[in-house]
Amino acid sequence: EAQVTQNPRYLITVTGKKLTVTCSQNMNHEYMSWYRQDPGLGLRQIYYSMNVEVTDKGDVPEGYKVSRKEKRNFPLILESPSPNQTSLYFCASSPCVGCSKEKLFFGSGTQLSVL
Amino acid sequence: KQEVTQIPAALSVPEGENLVLNCSFTDSAIYNLQWFRQDPGKGLTSLLLIQSSQREQTSGRLNASLDKSSGRSTLYIAASQPGDSATYLCAVRGSSNTGKLIFGQGTTLQVKP
Repeated sequence: EAQVTQNPRYLITVTGKKLTVTCSQNMNHEYMSWYRQDPGLGLRQIYYSMNVEVTDKGDVPEGYKVSRKEKRNFPLILESPSPNQTSLYFCASSPCVGCSKEKLFFGSGTQLSVL
Repeated sequence: KQEVTQIPAALSVPEGENLVLNCSFTDSAIYNLQWFRQDPGKGLTSLLLIQSSQREQTSGRLNASLDKSSGRSTLYIAASQPGDSATYLCAVRGSSNTGKLIFGQGTTLQVKP
């Protein structure tokens, strides 16, 4: 089954403890991206990757890191989480963007709470 | 900076009504505009994508239109059903940086039986 898999689904952590949220897609998509969703603010893009080894900042990249060492995986890293990073996080992928085949597929989300 | 707005934030209609959801954007230099559906506790599902050169796209009971010059898009849902209850989000991909996607805040739709 074609899908985008995020783990974990729920995560509670404490301020300053490094964590990684994993994202994997099995559709051989070139484009992957991360978003956070907060009440009243909608989805905001954190980082995106147009292809392997190519990443760039979205609108809210502060406090986050990503890597794209292989096509299928795009982990989101919080080196020193803070309470304002408490949010619902989504990973998404697409065959390409700005192209006729563009269609985003989203993971089920990761609810992160930073105490 | 591109801003995307969806009004109203919430909408409640009786089953069977035709309805229109609105999306507006401030910068007309877009590559495409997309509509998504989000069910509670779940990820987003892509509904329709309109390229900047297109005026509308249709899928089943859904029809999305785009007026780039006025910075507006509408999602028309015909003969609404309780199963259409969800949050609908629009998003704009700019033409200068196609990697970025800007979302509106969404309209939460409730269709009452």
